[in-house]
Amino acid sequence: DIVMTQTPLSSPVTLGQPASISCRSSQSLAHSDGNTYLSWLHQRPGQPPRVLIYKISHRFSGVPDRFSGSGAGTDFTLIISRVEAEDVGVYYCTQASQLPYTFGQGTKLEIK
Amino acid sequence: QVQLQESGSGLVKPSETLSLICTVSDDSSSSYYWNWIRQPPGKGLEWIGYIHNSGSTNYNPSLKSRVTMSLDRSKKQFSLKLSSVTAADTAVYYCARLVYAVAIDIWGQGTMVTVSS
Repeated sequence: DIVMTQTPLSSPVTLGQPASISCRSSQSLAHSDGNTYLSWLHQRPGQPPRVLIYKISHRFSGVPDRFSGSGAGTDFTLIISRVEAEDVGVYYCTQASQLPYTFGQGTKLEIK
Repeated sequence: QVQLQESGSGLVKPSETLSLICTVSDDSSSSYYWNWIRQPPGKGLEWIGYIHNSGSTNYNPSLKSRVTMSLDRSKKQFSLKLSSVTAADTAVYYCARLVYAVAIDIWGQGTMVTVSS
């Protein structure tokens, strides 16, 4: 199985400041079809996860442009350019390049 | 927009079979894969498996011996059965849609299943 490792596990951030979360996979996520199926999810307490970013850097419909994704191979990053109060919660990276699909441990974003 | 809704028993006895259904509100394109994912209380996410509209399945090897997924196109439903459950199977169970060559894009609200006698 591909192991997804996120850092940090907890991130206290000041409102209006940027936040960055890293995700490293134990194997390259480059798929034979030329795509890299790395997504970022956001989960608020008591809510299901929702997709923010797919295929490394594509923003899902309705996701604010303060969210951006980058990376390649085994190293990926989610950046929130200016954190807002509604951004609190847990962020997960997930891969669908190889079965079984796997998730990172989650990064808890909190407001200082 | 398509919505997914899980339903089923919220309490299952140890050694028995957990059964859940996911109802899809609309659209059943052949390019979709219908997934089950679970999240133990306070923990992270675990992919259980998927069933494609063709009926083909793929399960997480860690659960494969206990998992069965099926599809009822006429009712726009897909189901999960997990046998021989233990307390370790206590979790919120989500159904989710995966779009081929894109990502898992839509999640149900989730349903809590507790394994206890």
